[in-house]
Amino acid sequence: KQEVTQIPAALSVPEGENLVLNCSFTDSAIYNLQWFRQDPGKGLTSLLLIQSSQREQTSGRLNASLDKSSGRSTLYIAASQPGDSATYLCAVRGYGQNFVFGPGTRLSVLP
Amino acid sequence: GAGVSQSPRYKVAKRGQDVALRCDPISGHVSLFWYQQALGQGPEFLTYFQNEAQLDKSGLPSDRFFAERPEGSVSTLKIQRTQQEDSAVYLCASSPTGGSSYNEQFFGPGTRLTVL
Repeated sequence: KQEVTQIPAALSVPEGENLVLNCSFTDSAIYNLQWFRQDPGKGLTSLLLIQSSQREQTSGRLNASLDKSSGRSTLYIAASQPGDSATYLCAVRGYGQNFVFGPGTRLSVLP
Repeated sequence: GAGVSQSPRYKVAKRGQDVALRCDPISGHVSLFWYQQALGQGPEFLTYFQNEAQLDKSGLPSDRFFAERPEGSVSTLKIQRTQQEDSAVYLCASSPTGGSSYNEQFFGPGTRLTVL
């Protein structure tokens, strides 16, 4: 059974810092991995989708990498801003259709 | 264009009541998913539809949970005889095509269910 973990559980940084969020998964047989952002009381906003054949994806200040063989992904956020404060979730998709989610990392960026 | 919508956004039920939660996927999306998200946790898969066919219901926690998508568009998740442990946010997601695991999922805002 696929299990997804995320480290750290919570992170607080001053504005302007670069930061890395980590995601690990136990079964490397995945189709893709998606990073989401969730604001309090809101649904999930997709940030980046990485297919299993890809090593990384970039969107603006965000960069996500995937090392399928080691079961790891990282989300890099450059020059963090207070508006980046949210919970960040990673999810992997295996041979089934559904995603398996990690518990999330709660990020606070202090002005 | 319009995204995934869910209604109601908030629902309070007394223990033992039945509830129905609605999901309107993005128009034309073939696949539809329901997830349950407990406070402080990541979402957990409940069930998956491809058009009107329910292809996977392995995540439904008990036979009190029932989902349908009779015309292959709108879906309803029904919970009978609600219990306090059913309190959670219920998220719906849709995906453009079926039979492919390569597609992105688009999520609705969720319905927050509180069972008293």
